[in-house]
Amino acid sequence: DVKVTQSSRYLVKRTGEKVFLECVQDMDHENMFWYRQDPGLGLRLIYFSYDVKMKEKGDIPEGYSVSREKKERFSLILESASTNQTSMYLCASSFMGGYTFGSGTRLTVV
Amino acid sequence: DQQVKQNSPSLSVQEGRISILNCDYTNSMFDYFLWYKKYPAEGPTFLISISSIKDKNEDGRFTVFLNKSAKHLSLHIVPSQPGDSAVYFCAASLGGSNYKLTFGKGTLLTVNP
Repeated sequence: DVKVTQSSRYLVKRTGEKVFLECVQDMDHENMFWYRQDPGLGLRLIYFSYDVKMKEKGDIPEGYSVSREKKERFSLILESASTNQTSMYLCASSFMGGYTFGSGTRLTVV
Repeated sequence: DQQVKQNSPSLSVQEGRISILNCDYTNSMFDYFLWYKKYPAEGPTFLISISSIKDKNEDGRFTVFLNKSAKHLSLHIVPSQPGDSAVYFCAASLGGSNYKLTFGKGTLLTVNP
């Protein structure tokens, strides 16, 4: 089974901090994605990547950046965390068989 | 502009009965549709999918129906079980199952014993 691992389940950060959310997949998948989930809004795509060093903006990229230096790792960066970035962040990878999601990181910005 | 809509935020059914979750979409170019199930504090897990060339796909207790002319799909769960209680997300893709997905807002299903 494909495993997608997100480094932290819960994270509390202060406003203005630079935050790194890490995601690692173990099945050599080409495609990786970052979503956030908020009540009443569903899952919204932040950024995605179809290959190493490649990135594309999703629907809500403002305030975020990403890094994909190695195929298995896709990092989401909050350049200066704000309270409206408090959310559940979900990483996913995919190949031919559809998406596999990680367990999520619940980020609280105070 | 919301391209994938789940208009029912919640649904409550009795154990053993049928659960029907609905999803509408606006982009006629979507060619692949998926349903995901999500428990609190966990990532979504894949349930079932359907390609736009089909109108029905079945997997055990789960069946997805696609009506392209109405831009509507539905997920049927028969019989419903208490363990099915979760948030269900409908998703659509422009390029198959591994392209970026557009999700609906989700429907919270509660199956009462």
